[in-house]
Amino acid sequence: QSVLTQPPSASGTPGQRVTISCSGSSSNIGSNYVYWYQQLPGTAPKLLIYRNNQRPSGVPDRFSGSKSGTSASLAISGLRSEDEADYYCAAWDDSLSGLAVFGGGTQLTVL
Amino acid sequence: QVQLQESGPGLVKPSETLSLTCTVSGGSVSSGSYYWSWIRQPPGKGLEWIGYIYYSGSTNYNPSLKSRVTISVDTSKNQFSLKLSSVTAADTAVYYCARSSTITAPPCGWGQGTLVTVSS
Repeated sequence: QSVLTQPPSASGTPGQRVTISCSGSSSNIGSNYVYWYQQLPGTAPKLLIYRNNQRPSGVPDRFSGSKSGTSASLAISGLRSEDEADYYCAAWDDSLSGLAVFGGGTQLTVL
Repeated sequence: QVQLQESGPGLVKPSETLSLTCTVSGGSVSSGSYYWSWIRQPPGKGLEWIGYIYYSGSTNYNPSLKSRVTISVDTSKNQFSLKLSSVTAADTAVYYCARSSTITAPPCGWGQGTLVTVSS
């Protein structure tokens, strides 16, 4: 069972806007930055969003992140077929000596 | 651009110790710029953070694995390593090495991963 909670699946049609939620607690999302990753089948996760809403160079501005309280969300606008992948949220958790925690992942299907 | 590459046995017997190495290129493990991590992903499942090491040797481990995990760094070879003892089938996973920019940040860069199967 993952510390951060994501919906297991999401879907949309090409061109549509899709959002994926990530729920946590005061010890993780509530007090630390949220990161988002995209994982294509058979590949390593790729950083999409860091520090809640920052995009690394090379990530299209169709991807955006936001955070409010103990929840965060990833929005993908202008959905494309190549966006079909698993998406994970992550944050640092201040419990005990601290550790990185992840959501269970959301499988995005482009219909 | 810092790149990471995992290496090690793809098959480990139950009760034995899993050993993996991550070779860093395009940067130095001793630069102090990053924290060097291990993360794993069982087949068809989500991601689990194992722990990290700083070039100074300072470590932090996931409490759920702490009793079995050792992460070390070899600055002369520009590598860091993972040892996980007393493995069972539940430790079968793709193991990723990764880097984080601060002590309280999830990874910003990942290796390609290596599958380790625990089986007799």
